[in-house]
Amino acid sequence: AQSVTQLGSHVSVSEGALVLLRCNYSSSVPPYLFWYVQYPNQGLQLLLKYTSAATLVKGINGFEAEFKKSETSFHLTKPSAHMSDAAEYFCAVINRGSQGNLIFGKGTKLSVKP
Amino acid sequence: DAGITQSPRHKVTETGTPVTLRCHQTENHRYMYWYRQDPGHGLRLIHYSYGVKDTDKGEVSDGYSVSRSKTEDFLLTLESATSSQTSVYFCATGSQGNYEQYFGPGTRLTVT
Repeated sequence: AQSVTQLGSHVSVSEGALVLLRCNYSSSVPPYLFWYVQYPNQGLQLLLKYTSAATLVKGINGFEAEFKKSETSFHLTKPSAHMSDAAEYFCAVINRGSQGNLIFGKGTKLSVKP
Repeated sequence: DAGITQSPRHKVTETGTPVTLRCHQTENHRYMYWYRQDPGHGLRLIHYSYGVKDTDKGEVSDGYSVSRSKTEDFLLTLESATSSQTSVYFCATGSQGNYEQYFGPGTRLTVT
């Protein structure tokens, strides 16, 4: 069965510091992986996705993530945090060849200190 | 972004009453989903639809039913609301062959 584990329910960084949000997945077949962001009182917005092309994926707002099969990881990074990055971030996995049923992690809330 | 609206956006109801939440999309996406979001649980799939009148259960379907009579609308019904169904409900859509999902703004439901 597929699963996603996000390490750390809360992460706090200073403005300008590196952002690193961790995601590990479990999947019996090659997965597609996603990061979504949720700003307060809003729905989820796709940040980036891995669908078996390049292992380093660039997304919106300066975020990127690297698919590492050997580590079953898909960590999200941003070199320099901005106050506007404060939000909750969700990692999600889906099996290739199956339609639609994303499995979400429990989320990591990112705080950015001035 | 897919044009997805949810109604109502907020609702307070009493235990035992029926509640219907509506999701409407303008993107002609084949797939539609209902999730609930609770602190510490992330998003959990309730039901999904892969076409008009074609629906299936998700991870947490007990106490919920759905209907999809036309492409653009997906209804979620709580036949007899319970306090454990207090949550934020999100609708999402997806198109054939594209694994992305597009989310609506959510409905905050409180069952007293």
